[in-house]
Order: sequence, then structure tokens, then C-alpha cells
Amino acid sequence: DSGVTQTPKHLITATGQRVTLRCSPRSGDLSVYWYQQSLDQGLQFLIQYYNGEERAKGNILERFSAQQFPDLHSELNLSSLELGDSALYFCASSSGQGWYEQYFGPGTRLTVT
Amino acid sequence: AQKITQTQPGMFVQEKEAVTLDCTYDTSDPSYGLFWYKQPSSGEMIFLIYQGSYDQQNATEGRYSLNFQKARKSANLVISASQLGDSAMYFCAMRPYSGNTPLVFGKGTRLSVIA
Repeated sequence: DSGVTQTPKHLITATGQRVTLRCSPRSGDLSVYWYQQSLDQGLQFLIQYYNGEERAKGNILERFSAQQFPDLHSELNLSSLELGDSALYFCASSSGQGWYEQYFGPGTRLTVT
Repeated sequence: AQKITQTQPGMFVQEKEAVTLDCTYDTSDPSYGLFWYKQPSSGEMIFLIYQGSYDQQNATEGRYSLNFQKARKSANLVISASQLGDSAMYFCAMRPYSGNTPLVFGKGTRLSVIA
């Protein structure tokens, strides 16, 4: 158990819908990262927050957004969902701003039908 | 830009044998970290081992060791005394220390341990 929690574990929704994925980092970790893992694209970095502020942005679509709250938990919002958004979404946390090892949560498997 | 190459899509190893998973990387940054993660069929990503670019010694964590050859830009993972539970996908990743560059992952190697 990495200490990072993600909810829900599984999510099935229809195209055009909006979902919110939630992540709680390890106790004491200030950085939260979101990744998307799909069969064709592999594991891709989406976005990083450090202590409530956005720090780095990767291949995140405009339909996706994220935030980190004062209690350090983070939410990833996915809207206008398309079939191609079906993937495993991971949250990871680290104590620093990124060059420490990152500990991953169990992931949320999103299926868009 | 950083790039990680894992040339072995799949590997088989006999139980109790050692196995080496290859990883080469490309970066122009002088300081960086190299990481290996394990992803079993259940899906979670498990951190295994870390090597800093300025570390003089190869990193070891239990049965995992990282064969770091900086001049060749390789960071191979060695698993000794393989166990059935080692069957999983293994990902090599790297991140420069400077800036806010994210962790970049390779495509992974699927390891199957045979009894």
C-alpha cells in the first residue's frame, strides 16, 4: 500500500458526460501528479500540483482540468467524455516538487461507452 | 526532451533465476533521476528503485538492483532469484532535477516468471 488513495476504483459513463476523479496523497506529501495510461499511448503525464498551485502541465486536454485543495487532496475533472478517454488514471504523490520518487495510487479505471 | 527506450516488450525467466530488463535513456540534462516501477495485473504502479545521475554506486533494494552505466545512458534493472510474484509489467522512467519536467516513462517490459 503506497498510502495514496484514489476514488472511485472503477467508473463507467457515457460519451458527453463529465466525471470527477479524486486523489488523496500520502501524509505529508505536497505534490500531486495525474497520469493517464491507455493501451495506445502508454503512461502519460497530465498535470502536477504542488501545495495547491499548478507546477507542470503535460499532455492534458482542454476538456480536462484539475485542482489541489487546501487539505492537499486533488480532483481531476474530465468533461465532454469521448470513447478515447477510456483509460486508467493514476494519481501519484511525492514530498518535493518532483524529482523525488513518486508513489502511485491504485488508479481509477474509466470506461466511456 | 527526455526519452526512455525499453526494447524488450516481453521476457520469460525461470523461477529462482536472475533477469535483466533493459532501459536506455536520452537527455541533455546533467542531473536526473532514474526510476523503475512494477505494474502487476491488478493495475497499481509500485515504486521499486531509484538511481541519481551523480550516485557513484549502483542502487540496490532487496532483490532489485540497478545497473547504471552513465556513459552508455543505460539503467538496466536486475531482479535476482525471480519469484512467480515478479510476473508483471516493468516501467523505466526518468526525470531531470531541473525545472518542472515531469516523469517520462518507457513503454514497459512484460516479465513472465515460469515455475
